[in-house]
Amino acid sequence: AQSVTQPDIHITVSEGASLELRCNYSYGATPYLFWYVQSPGQGLQLLLKYFSGDTLVQGIKGFEAEFKRSQSSFNLRKPSVHWSDAAEYFCAVRGYQKVTFGTGTKLQVIP
Amino acid sequence: DVKVTQSSRYLVKRTGEKVFLECVQDMDHENMFWYRQDPGLGLRLIYFSYDVKMKEKGDIPEGYSVSREKKERFSLILESASTNQTSMYLCATDPGDSRYEQYFGPGTRLTVT
Repeated sequence: AQSVTQPDIHITVSEGASLELRCNYSYGATPYLFWYVQSPGQGLQLLLKYFSGDTLVQGIKGFEAEFKRSQSSFNLRKPSVHWSDAAEYFCAVRGYQKVTFGTGTKLQVIP
Repeated sequence: DVKVTQSSRYLVKRTGEKVFLECVQDMDHENMFWYRQDPGLGLRLIYFSYDVKMKEKGDIPEGYSVSREKKERFSLILESASTNQTSMYLCATDPGDSRYEQYFGPGTRLTVT
């Protein structure tokens, strides 16, 4: 069975600081991996995805993520956080038909 | 742009009522999904459909049913609403290829009193 773990429920960073959100997955084959962002009161929006090729993928809003097969990880990074990045972030793994989401990491940005 | 719309943003219903949540997409996507989102639990799959009149149970189907009579429309039905079904409900679609992401509606916040 596929699964996703986001170990950090809540993270607080200062504006301008770097950010890394952790994601570990479990899946039997080559995974299709996604990061989504949810702003308050909104649906989820795709930040980036990985399904093959280069293990470092670039997304929207300056985000990137690195796929590490040996560690079963797909961590999300941003070099300099903006106040508008405050939101909830979800990592997801796609199987044949179903997508399994992590429990989310809520990001707070302080001035 | 894919547009996924949900019939209501906020809904308040009484225990025991039959509740219909509707989702409509305009991109001819094959797959449609219903999730519920609760704090600390992330998104949990209730039901999904990969074709008209086809449905598959997700991880938490108890207390719910679905209907997909037309490709663009996927309804979630709570036969007899209970307070533990108070939640945010999110509809999503995708074109049926695993390489592609899901597109989400804005959500319906349902409160059952």
